[in-house]
Amino acid sequence: SQQGEEDPQALSIQEGENATMNCSYKTSINNLQWYRQNSGRGLVHLILIRSNEREKHSGRLRVTLDTSKKSSSLLITASRAADTASYFCATEGHFGNEKLTFGTGTRLTIIP
Amino acid sequence: DAMVIQNPRYQVTQFGKPVTLSCSQTLNHNVMYWYQQKSSQAPKLLFHYYDKDFNNEADTPDNFQSRRPNTSFCFLDIRSPGLGDAAMYLCATSEVGGETQYFGPGTRLLVL
Repeated sequence: SQQGEEDPQALSIQEGENATMNCSYKTSINNLQWYRQNSGRGLVHLILIRSNEREKHSGRLRVTLDTSKKSSSLLITASRAADTASYFCATEGHFGNEKLTFGTGTRLTIIP
Repeated sequence: DAMVIQNPRYQVTQFGKPVTLSCSQTLNHNVMYWYQQKSSQAPKLLFHYYDKDFNNEADTPDNFQSRRPNTSFCFLDIRSPGLGDAAMYLCATSEVGGETQYFGPGTRLLVL
């Protein structure tokens, strides 16, 4: 299985601080994506980074990818209470067959 | 707004009583997915459709079936729900060759 592992499993920080969560995976990938899931809701796509990219930014999000270590990190800067959610990484296999394999998720709590 | 809709949002069924969950989309995407997500776990792909071409995951129990009568609708049938089938069921769509998946809000299934 290519299921990713994320750490930490849970993270609590004060509003305004930066949050970093990490994802590791097992086999070659075409791309890695990050999704957010609010409690009891569906997943929302945040950002995608391709296997030939090392860093990507979108608003307050910064994603890095290290294919040699098979790992990625998601940084959320200047956190807000609305960022409270679970964050999942998901990998698309090397052949780009469109199936995603999700990691175990990080539960982020922003304390006002 | 184009979206993925799941009905009902909450479903209660009895042990062994067949249940059907529905998903519809206005995105006109050719690919549709069904995931099972248990509490605090990663979404797990059950099956997906490329248009009408059905693709079952190897470890999806036979108890789970799916139908896709047209591009817009997809159904998940659980023939004899067990207590272990209680979970959130997520429907998602993507374009063929698209890398991002678009999720519905999910249906939470409770088995009594």
